[in-house]
Amino acid sequence: NAGVTQTPKFQVLKTGQSMTLQCAQDMNHEYMSWYRQDPGMGLRLIHYSVGAGITDQGEVPNGYNVSRSTTEDFPLRLLSAAPSQTSVYFCASSYSGEGSALHFGNGTRLTVT
Amino acid sequence: KQEVTQIPAALSVPEGENLVLNCSFTDSAIYNLQWFRQDPGKGLTSLLLIQSSQREQTSGRLNASLDKSSGRSTLYIAASQPGDSATYLCAVLNYGGSQGNLIFGKGTKLSVKP
Repeated sequence: NAGVTQTPKFQVLKTGQSMTLQCAQDMNHEYMSWYRQDPGMGLRLIHYSVGAGITDQGEVPNGYNVSRSTTEDFPLRLLSAAPSQTSVYFCASSYSGEGSALHFGNGTRLTVT
Repeated sequence: KQEVTQIPAALSVPEGENLVLNCSFTDSAIYNLQWFRQDPGKGLTSLLLIQSSQREQTSGRLNASLDKSSGRSTLYIAASQPGDSATYLCAVLNYGGSQGNLIFGKGTKLSVKP
């Protein structure tokens, strides 16, 4: 199994550009989520989904959109990139239920100039 | 609002030592607590998950305990090895939260010297 796959691994954007970070999982997990990791701030939840067609906001959703048209895919869209969105982005997934561990992808390092 | 704290932020030990990493949380109404490992430039790998009804979990040289009433968890690493060098994060899932809504601490960076 590939687990959680994120693409691209690295990306440089200019302010105002838009792009989509891709996330796919092959474990048939119901839950998927996006976190950003910043030095001194830890991991913060951006958006999450409890199943296909259902999404909700996390702690820091502004400037980001998500959709969940299939169980496998959960793309994160940056609408108009800002330098404050420079970060490492992680996608994660798990089965439902409080006994299920969270599985992470290897991250996308995004720089906005 | 749930807050998760990990102390110390960094720890350096010689190989072979037993060590304890600490995690504290402010709201005891949690579904579970998870410990993760993060290697530089990589994602997080789940190490242990303790459900709210459990007191501890063990995997190999790792043992995690949970005391909900005091809002504390510890990760015990026995006979540490240089390969254990990484950042260790704990995270809690609150009652009423979905599985994707973990609250993370900022981690403890562990360095095990040969």
